[in-house]
Amino acid sequence: GQQVMQIPQYQHVQEGEDFTTYCNSSTTLSNIQWYKQRPGGHPVFLIQLVKSGEVKKQKRLTFQFGEAKKNSSLHITATQTTDVGTYFCAASGAGGTSYGKLTFGQGTILTVHP
Amino acid sequence: DSGVTQTPKHLITATGQRVTLRCSPRSGDLSVYWYQQSLDQGLQFLIQYYNGEERAKGNILERFSAQQFPDLHSELNLSSLELGDSALYFCASSDGTGNPTNEKLFFGSGTQLSVL
Repeated sequence: GQQVMQIPQYQHVQEGEDFTTYCNSSTTLSNIQWYKQRPGGHPVFLIQLVKSGEVKKQKRLTFQFGEAKKNSSLHITATQTTDVGTYFCAASGAGGTSYGKLTFGQGTILTVHP
Repeated sequence: DSGVTQTPKHLITATGQRVTLRCSPRSGDLSVYWYQQSLDQGLQFLIQYYNGEERAKGNILERFSAQQFPDLHSELNLSSLELGDSALYFCASSDGTGNPTNEKLFFGSGTQLSVL
C-alpha cells in the first residue's frame, strides 16, 4: 500500500531557530495535507496542497508541494514555544484505489526551548 | 472545537473485554473515519464510512468492527481486548463528497483506551 515517509522523527530547537519537516512518497500524490497535534490534543488541519510546485504561506509557516507531487515540506521561521507539537503530513494517492483515504506520515515531534 | 464529538474520553477495561466507542461527526459531514494512535505506530487508519456504507478499510483487526448509523453517528467496537490495543482512538469527519478541496479531516478529541 501507499506509504508516506516523514523526517525527522524528532526536532529540538531553540526559540527563534527555524524548523523544517519533510514528507516523501514513492507514488504520485493527488494532494497532501498538513496537520498539527498539540501535546494532549487532537490533530488539527493546517493546509492542503493540490498543485504541482505549489507554495502556500501561513504567517511563519511555509508549505511546499514538489514538482513531481511526491514530496512536501513544512518550514517554520523563527519558532516560538507555541509551535510545539507533532506535525503530520497526510496524503491522498493518485488513482481511485486511494479515494477518500488519507495516509499519515509518522509525524515530526517539535520541541522548542525558550 | 472541531464539531466532532467522541465518547467516552477515557475507558479503562480488562483483557478479553468488549468496548464500544462512539463518534458524532460535524453537522453536514457524511464521512467518518477511525484512526488508532499509539506511541510507536503513529496515526493508523482503521476504517472509513460514507453515508452509512463502508468506503475504505485500513489496518483494522478482525476483532474490531464499526458501523455508521442513519443519523450518521458511528461506533467502533473492539472485542477480545488485548494489552496492545491500549491506544488513543480518534474519529474524524469530512464532507466526503470526493472533491479534493473538501477532503480535509476534522478530528474529535479522542478516546483513550487502557486495557489492563
